[in-house]
Amino acid sequence: AQTVTQSQPEMSVQEAETVTLSCTYDTSENNYYLFWYKQPPSRQMILVIRQEAYKQQNATENRFSVNFQKAAKSFSLKISDSQLGDTAMYFCAFALLTGNQFYFGTGTSLTVIP
Amino acid sequence: DAGITQSPRHKVTETGTPVTLRCHQTENHRYMYWYRQDPGHGLRLIHYSYGVKDTDKGEVSDGYSVSRSKTEDFLLTLESATSSQTSVYFCAISESMGLAGGHSSYNEQFFGPGTRLTVL
Repeated sequence: AQTVTQSQPEMSVQEAETVTLSCTYDTSENNYYLFWYKQPPSRQMILVIRQEAYKQQNATENRFSVNFQKAAKSFSLKISDSQLGDTAMYFCAFALLTGNQFYFGTGTSLTVIP
Repeated sequence: DAGITQSPRHKVTETGTPVTLRCHQTENHRYMYWYRQDPGHGLRLIHYSYGVKDTDKGEVSDGYSVSRSKTEDFLLTLESATSSQTSVYFCAISESMGLAGGHSSYNEQFFGPGTRLTVL
């Protein structure tokens, strides 16, 4: 079975500062994808960043970057220069190449403080 | 944005009544999913479909059924709604995962706007 754990239910950060959200997962498979989704108060789920397990280089999208540690099964999200619009629930997700199911963590609620 | 709509967007119903939620896509994606979102649980998969008339159960399928008679529509039915089914329901779509050139090829899941269902 695949599991995704987000151990930080809530976090806050000052505007313009950097914050890191943690995610760990458990799988015996070798080929998979990892994702971070953002859910603002509008409830819309928005893909922030994704990482292919076979790639050693950490993915980066503007102010968002990940620290992917495959051996440790860790996939943290770093948000630099935090903005008020980053206030949202963030979900870590995992998907195997075999089968087509996604597995989501329970989410981290991030508040950016002005 | 991916063309995914859900209807209704909000619904209040009474215990014991049947409820059907509709997901409609204009992307011609093969895979469609129904999730429920509850505080402290994140998103949990109810059912998913990998083609017309091809569906499978997810983590929390008890009390729910689905149907997919056309590529673009995926229906979620609560046969007899209970208060424990009060939740926000999300539909999602994705294209096939596969291998290309020795590496994986994949599109992420795109989500609909959600349906808030309240069962009294």
